[in-house]
Amino acid sequence: DVKVTQSSRYLVKRTGEKVFLECVQDMDHENMFWYRQDPGLGLRLIYFSYDVKMKEKGDIPEGYSVSREKKERFSLILESASTNQTSMYLCASSPPQMNTEAFFGQGTRLTVV
Amino acid sequence: AQSVTQLDSQVPVFEEAPVELRCNYSSSVSVYLFWYVQYPNQGLQLLLKYLSGSTLVKGINGFEAEFNKSQTSFHLRKPSVHISDTAEYFCAVSDRNFNKFYFGSGTKLNVKP
Repeated sequence: DVKVTQSSRYLVKRTGEKVFLECVQDMDHENMFWYRQDPGLGLRLIYFSYDVKMKEKGDIPEGYSVSREKKERFSLILESASTNQTSMYLCASSPPQMNTEAFFGQGTRLTVV
Repeated sequence: AQSVTQLDSQVPVFEEAPVELRCNYSSSVSVYLFWYVQYPNQGLQLLLKYLSGSTLVKGINGFEAEFNKSQTSFHLRKPSVHISDTAEYFCAVSDRNFNKFYFGSGTKLNVKP
């Protein structure tokens, strides 16, 4: 089975802190994604990566950056956390073929106080 | 660009009743279509997917969905729901130009005894 592991289930951080959310997948997938999930808004794409060191902005990249130094690991960085970044963050991966689904981690619920 | 509309934010239903969760999409290119389920404080799990061929797709847990190209819809159905089906359901599309996934805002299914 594909496994996508997010390093934390729950995080509480202070306003202004630099926050790292880590995601690791074990299926050698080329594509990796970071989504943000908020009630009534569904999942919104923050960034995705289609190869090591390759990244593209999604729909809501402001206030975030990403890093992909190894194929299996995709990190989301909040440069200076703000209260409006309190949310559920979901990482996903998929193979490069077009006819496959995305596989999701368990999510990280981040609270910024 | 693709977009996904889930017309109902919440659907209450009694146990053993049938249910339909509606999904419409817009896209300028051919797409693949997916339904995911999310149980509380969990990641997303794939229910079913439409890639090509038969427009009626069967998934896990007794769910099925029908692809209607003329109406750009992909509604999810189950003939008899159980309490354990209480969850949030997301419709998603990925375009055939690049394997990015776009999600609807979600429908919360509440099955009552």
